[in-house]
Amino acid sequence: DQQVKQNSPSLSVQEGRISILNCDYTNSMFDYFLWYKKYPAEGPTFLISISSIKDKNEDGRFTVFLNKSAKHLSLHIVPSQPGDSAVYFCAASYAYSGGGADGLTFGKGTHLIIQP
Amino acid sequence: ETGVTQSPTHLIKTRGQQVTLRCSSQSGHNTVSWYQQALGQGPQFIFQYYREEENGRGNFPPRFSGLQFPNYSSELNVNALELDDSALYLCASNTDMKYGYTFGSGTRLTVV
Repeated sequence: DQQVKQNSPSLSVQEGRISILNCDYTNSMFDYFLWYKKYPAEGPTFLISISSIKDKNEDGRFTVFLNKSAKHLSLHIVPSQPGDSAVYFCAASYAYSGGGADGLTFGKGTHLIIQP
Repeated sequence: ETGVTQSPTHLIKTRGQQVTLRCSSQSGHNTVSWYQQALGQGPQFIFQYYREEENGRGNFPPRFSGLQFPNYSSELNVNALELDDSALYLCASNTDMKYGYTFGSGTRLTVV
């Protein structure tokens, strides 16, 4: 049973427009959420995180929104750039309540393609 | 030392053999964890070490084991390799969740 779901395997967006990547989770015990970006032949790179006590966190072009009641989070990238083309993973953790000993639970990823 | 480095980058093993994968974490990162990423899937948590003790394990059998050393290096050992163990193995370390985990580039293991 997948606890973190990214239902869109791929997403194509024009350069300069907004990219919105979605993620749903089923386990209400998750209290910390992270987004990672992965290029081929590289490990995932941390982008941005949000704790369950917040509903928004912003870092430059990247904003993560958390809707706890819907168990949904989204990553907004504005404006989208060609270098943003990569696979994006949503991940969840019990970090602050469980000390991180359960690791991160990842979704299957969304392949974002930025078209010129 | 900055970053997380893993070795080797690629490895081919025969079913039934044993393999050891290595990771060198960032200095000061007391927590190291290992993940398995099968093709088309997200990384799956194998286990985590904190100050040389295993303090968390995902849904992986005991033939997956590990070690963490005082010099911030660690190992993942897999015994009795099976074809389904073919995957990218990622090592990650961190100090504070708000900064996320820092991942290495991984070791691509192929079991034939």
